[in-house]
Amino acid sequence: NAGVTQTPKFRVLKTGQSMTLLCAQDMNHEYMYWYRQDPGMGLRLIHYSVGEGTTAKGEVPDGYNVSRLKKQNFLLGLESAAPSQTSVYFCASSRQLYSNQPQHFGDGTRLSIL
Amino acid sequence: TQLLEQSPQFLSIQEGENLTVYCNSSSVFSSLQWYRQEPGEGPVLLVTVVTGGEVKKLKRLTFQFGDARKDSSLHITAAQPGDTGLYLCAGEGETSGSRLTFGEGTQLTVNP
Repeated sequence: NAGVTQTPKFRVLKTGQSMTLLCAQDMNHEYMYWYRQDPGMGLRLIHYSVGEGTTAKGEVPDGYNVSRLKKQNFLLGLESAAPSQTSVYFCASSRQLYSNQPQHFGDGTRLSIL
Repeated sequence: TQLLEQSPQFLSIQEGENLTVYCNSSSVFSSLQWYRQEPGEGPVLLVTVVTGGEVKKLKRLTFQFGDARKDSSLHITAAQPGDTGLYLCAGEGETSGSRLTFGEGTQLTVNP
């Protein structure tokens, strides 16, 4: 009964370091999303994917890259971390692209860039 | 860019009180979702409203979509400490493939 699993849960990086956030879903959903959540700004879409092997830019894609090599996994990469990328990152999946379908969220990755 | 404004941003009340949270926009949405998020967890969907004027009830929670589909409200009757959390509204644009736009959220604290 896992749903959407994100790893790691917490991470501290130094400016300029790189890392990859992992997201896995076991609901066989086609659509997956990466959001960042900052105080007073709600959830903002970084990138999303409409299926295995496809990705698209969201509202705030700069500084991030993504890959969807397998249907169940969606990876978010930071090539050169910056303090402005300190945030809580959420992965989500859904059966359809929006269209009234609920998005199922993971529990987030709390990332601090020093 | 479609914007959703939620009010109030913070709300602290006593157990048993009633409250209303608002979600407003100048844009029309084809549907609107309400999520609740607890500390350390991701948002969880409460309800989706689709039709202008639609009212949905979930136990003590009543959700309403505005007639013009630009705004929504969440009313909680006799709030309980278990209602504490961050309430987020999210609207889907009318254009096909439009992404969800999230409001900044209302942090509700219900004190025993």
